Amino acid sequence: DIQMTQSPSTLSASVGDRVTITCRARHSINDWLAWYQHKPGTAPKLLIYKASSLESGVPSRFNGSGSGTEFALTINNLQPDDFATYYCQQYSSYWTFGQGTKVEIK
Amino acid sequence: EVQLVQSGPEVKKPGESLKISCEASGYRFITYWIGWVRHMPGKGLEWMGVTYPADSDTRYSPSFQGQISVSADKSINTAYLQWSSLKASDTAMYYCIVTSGYDRGWYKSWGQGTLVTVSP
Repeated sequence: DIQMTQSPSTLSASVGDRVTITCRARHSINDWLAWYQHKPGTAPKLLIYKASSLESGVPSRFNGSGSGTEFALTINNLQPDDFATYYCQQYSSYWTFGQGTKVEIK
Repeated sequence: EVQLVQSGPEVKKPGESLKISCEASGYRFITYWIGWVRHMPGKGLEWMGVTYPADSDTRYSPSFQGQISVSADKSINTAYLQWSSLKASDTAMYYCIVTSGYDRGWYKSWGQGTLVTVSP
């Protein structure tokens, strides 16, 4: 298994803020990384694939970056709809997820 | 648009069997792998197994090998996750997912989740 370490576990922010979530892989995964958004009671939603490619229909305020072992998801101009839990996922070798980051209202 | 609709919540006793389902639409069912992810309360997401409906090739996470069965019926565009003998530790939310493959494939779509509760 390729272990993924995601931080922080919780992030308090206000509408309009810029927030960054980081994800570190134990071994290089090139750019085989995805980000998902999850709200309670709903299906998780793909935001970013291949580390920085925006899924169709996802607002451009979501930005993915990184390669190798260090990755980040940045949300610019945080909106009320963005308060959720975010997960990174490596798919270089099957799949493993980070532990998740809950973005909550400050 | 890929849509995955899962069966409803289940309450079972330890030792009982269970089969939950996931009906797919919006794409050609045999072109993508379909599988399952577990989310236990307070824990992270774990992939369990995936199957390729075109030829029934099935892959399991080592953590779940021998504990579950993943299958698909391409005649009705439906995937299944099955247990022969549930344990209390199987209590979790289970998500159906679709991916282009176990090699370099992200999860294109997720189902809404099926809550399984196993209690005496």
